[in-house]
Amino acid sequence: DIVMTQSPDSLAVSLGERATIDCKSSQSVLSSSNDKNYLAWYQQKPGQPPKLLIYWASTRESGVPDRFSGSGSGTDFTLTITSLQAEDVAVYYCQQYYTSPQTFGQGTKVEIK
Amino acid sequence: EVQLVQSGAEVKKPGESLKISCKGSGHSLVNYWIAWVRQKPGKGLEWMGIIYVSDSAPRYSPSFQGQVTISADRSISTAYLQWSSLKASDTAIYYCAAPTPATGILSPLNIWGRGTMVFVSS
Repeated sequence: DIVMTQSPDSLAVSLGERATIDCKSSQSVLSSSNDKNYLAWYQQKPGQPPKLLIYWASTRESGVPDRFSGSGSGTDFTLTITSLQAEDVAVYYCQQYYTSPQTFGQGTKVEIK
Repeated sequence: EVQLVQSGAEVKKPGESLKISCKGSGHSLVNYWIAWVRQKPGKGLEWMGIIYVSDSAPRYSPSFQGQVTISADRSISTAYLQWSSLKASDTAIYYCAAPTPATGILSPLNIWGRGTMVFVSS
């Protein structure tokens, strides 16, 4: 299985400041056939199911605010929230869908400082 | 776009069997892959397996192979997750989720059900 490791496990950021979450995969999730990274980011608020934010490592899902961005390639990826809003308090997960079983990172809890 | 409607919360005893469901609303699930994701209380997300509703052929994570059964009934646009003998460690929220159809099995999960809470205790 591909192991996904996120860092940090939690972070507290002031409103309007930048939040950065890293995700590392134990093997590359970059496909040589289509040059795409099979990496997604999800947001989960308390009592709600996860919500897809980013796929192909950097493509925002429809309706996701542009303060959310994804970057990286191969084995190292980053989710950035450029100006944290109160409604962004949540747990964020990365996921590889390159191969089965698809696997998630352990999650990063984002709170307001 | 389809909505995934999951069955209600369950309270069971160890050793009991259970089958929970995930029904497509607003659109048939015939061309959809449906994945099941476990979330234990206060913990992260675990991908259990996936099924293509059209051919009902499941693929399991090795961690869950033999522990659960994933199935589907295309005639009623419903996917299932079942246990033959529950354990206390099966206590969790179980989500069904799907990628946009025609994107294939190796796709992100952009459609999620609300989850089914399963509580197993003697």
